[in-house]
Amino acid sequence: EAEVAQSPRYKITEKSQAVAFWCDPISGHATLYWYRQILGQGPELLVQFQDESVVDDSQLPKDRFSAERLKGVDSTLKIQPAELGDSAMYLCASSTRGTGELFFGEGSRLTVL
Amino acid sequence: GQQVMQIPQYQHVQEGEDFTTYCNSSTTLSNIQWYKQRPGGHPVFLIQLVKSGEVKKQKRLTFQFGEAKKNSSLHITATQTTDVGTYFCAALGTASKLTFGTGTRLQVTL
Repeated sequence: EAEVAQSPRYKITEKSQAVAFWCDPISGHATLYWYRQILGQGPELLVQFQDESVVDDSQLPKDRFSAERLKGVDSTLKIQPAELGDSAMYLCASSTRGTGELFFGEGSRLTVL
Repeated sequence: GQQVMQIPQYQHVQEGEDFTTYCNSSTTLSNIQWYKQRPGGHPVFLIQLVKSGEVKKQKRLTFQFGEAKKNSSLHITATQTTDVGTYFCAALGTASKLTFGTGTRLQVTL
């Protein structure tokens, strides 16, 4: 069964350092999402792509976060500089279209010291 | 922005008891989805509801979408230990943005 791949699974970094997360969605899925999930809370949408275009990044802290999906396939989420409050699980998800079932990856757990 | 609240935040039941979680939105929704997240895992899709007043069943799980398309519920009959996890509703609003609810954590003991 096809899966959404994410790496790294775990990342520990010191504040002010740069961090990058990678996501490879299920083949053929045009819509890709990055969510942030703080322990005990629901996932919060950071950015949504349709193919290579950003359709929603209203909750992305653009002073330190950036996301790209250059060829409309895999995607990278970057944080620079990381802050203590960025410690969370970063979940990538994909769907065939913007209104259907989301398939999530295992997530990348970030700890900022 | 759109807010999606779930109640209760946490419920602890004995195996065999029923469980219900409620999801409420501040705005009318295009559709609502439900996900289950096991401890340490990632959200897994359960179902999508689209029509006003829609009711769908999956074995012991019953999902309802309110008549005004602003609320939804998930009911589990005769819970089992395998039902442990956090249940999230996710509301599809304007611009195809999917907003997750606050979640209900279910604990089931023997």
